[in-house]
Amino acid sequence: GAVVSQHPSWVICKSGTSVKIECRSLDFQATTMFWYRQFPKQSLMLMATSNEGSKATYEQGVEKDKFLINHASLTLSTLTVTSAHPEDSSFYICSVKSAGTETQYFGPGTRLLVL
Amino acid sequence: QQQVKQSPQSLIVQKGGISIINCAYENTAFDYFPWYQQFPGKGPALLIAIRPDVSEKKEGRFTISFNKSAKQFSLHIMDSQPGDSATYFCAASGLTGNTPLVFGKGTRLSVIA
Repeated sequence: GAVVSQHPSWVICKSGTSVKIECRSLDFQATTMFWYRQFPKQSLMLMATSNEGSKATYEQGVEKDKFLINHASLTLSTLTVTSAHPEDSSFYICSVKSAGTETQYFGPGTRLLVL
Repeated sequence: QQQVKQSPQSLIVQKGGISIINCAYENTAFDYFPWYQQFPGKGPALLIAIRPDVSEKKEGRFTISFNKSAKQFSLHIMDSQPGDSATYFCAASGLTGNTPLVFGKGTRLSVIA
């Protein structure tokens, strides 16, 4: 399967600051990347879907101006949480998928804590 | 609207026993059904997946049973081990386009010695 990395693995920031999370597909051409958030003991909630070179499609209730997603290449997508607040504290996970295939491979996740 | 219903929410199994987790879906357009295993603080890892053209798929100790008419599928873990203790998520999606996975709510499995 694909090897997916995320950086950083955890981050602590002050309220009001912005945080960028990177998702890299190390050996896989990720034509589509997905971003999820997961609260403790809960399932994964899809935030947005992005195709390489296109604007991301956000799920209902997810603020696109707050969660900026860039998918500039087949190996890199970034999620920027702008003006982070304590309620944004969560586990953010990306996944990758290649065109014409059904399998999604997940990254190891990034733990965000906003103080 | 939850499109994939997963049960039970938690499960305790003796070492060596069989763990069974069930899922039911509503959308008949779904045609890909994976199971993911997630350990605390880690991302989900693909365990096994099935398409509706087969009723069963086995990989090692893990088996998916699929009932298309009932719109149900289940994961069986044979000879469960303490290392299998994790949260398991079933999911479903369509094959076409960039259809995202729809996840069940997860099952926390604890295998006790």
